[in-house]
Amino acid sequence: RKEVEQDPGPFNVPEGATVAFNCTYSNSASQSFFWYRQDCRKEPKLLMSVYSSGNEDGRFTAQLNRASQYISLLIRDSKLSDSATYLCVVNIRNTPLVFGKGTRLSVIA
Amino acid sequence: SQTIHQWPATLVQPVGSPLSLECTVEGTSNPNLYWYRQAAGRGLQLLFYSVGIGQISSEVPQNLSASRPQDRQFILSSKKLLLSDSGFYLCAWSSSSGGYTFGSGTRLTVV
Repeated sequence: RKEVEQDPGPFNVPEGATVAFNCTYSNSASQSFFWYRQDCRKEPKLLMSVYSSGNEDGRFTAQLNRASQYISLLIRDSKLSDSATYLCVVNIRNTPLVFGKGTRLSVIA
Repeated sequence: SQTIHQWPATLVQPVGSPLSLECTVEGTSNPNLYWYRQAAGRGLQLLFYSVGIGQISSEVPQNLSASRPQDRQFILSSKKLLLSDSGFYLCAWSSSSGGYTFGSGTRLTVV
């Protein structure tokens, strides 16, 4: 079983739509969780950390379900500029981050 | 503020040639540093990481090596490149929050 699994997509959604991505992780000792965004041929950039209580940043909401070992990212009111690959990332204390392969989102006008 | 520099941005090298990619970090001391590779259409693969000068951990046995001669310098090398070494090489450092900041990457094509 892969450490971090994501649906590769692509998710093709119209502008203004709400879209959600899920990610599952295999190691129950995982402690930190993040969502990164990667534009085509660019480096990944931190989008947001994921906290146990869930957190929101503008149109983006991240949630963590430790019991089921999954993380979600919800994007409301999608913009064309949201088109990118979204990487789910988990960390076990004092070890390097483990990246999922990413979910590709394409927002269409 | 902290910044990370990586060069060159693109590189085309023949099979069997050597490789040296350099990464430097500014604005922080004793950072944890990482080298990742992303092959076309694939995820990020951790190659090496370092928690201090001269300390290198290798994740993937292959013809690549890494060195950390100074606190804020991380170098990725190869004596003889293979076609399979082509990819997008990314250096990163980790902050106290646990997240990583990546350099802008080097796109290597081995021909």
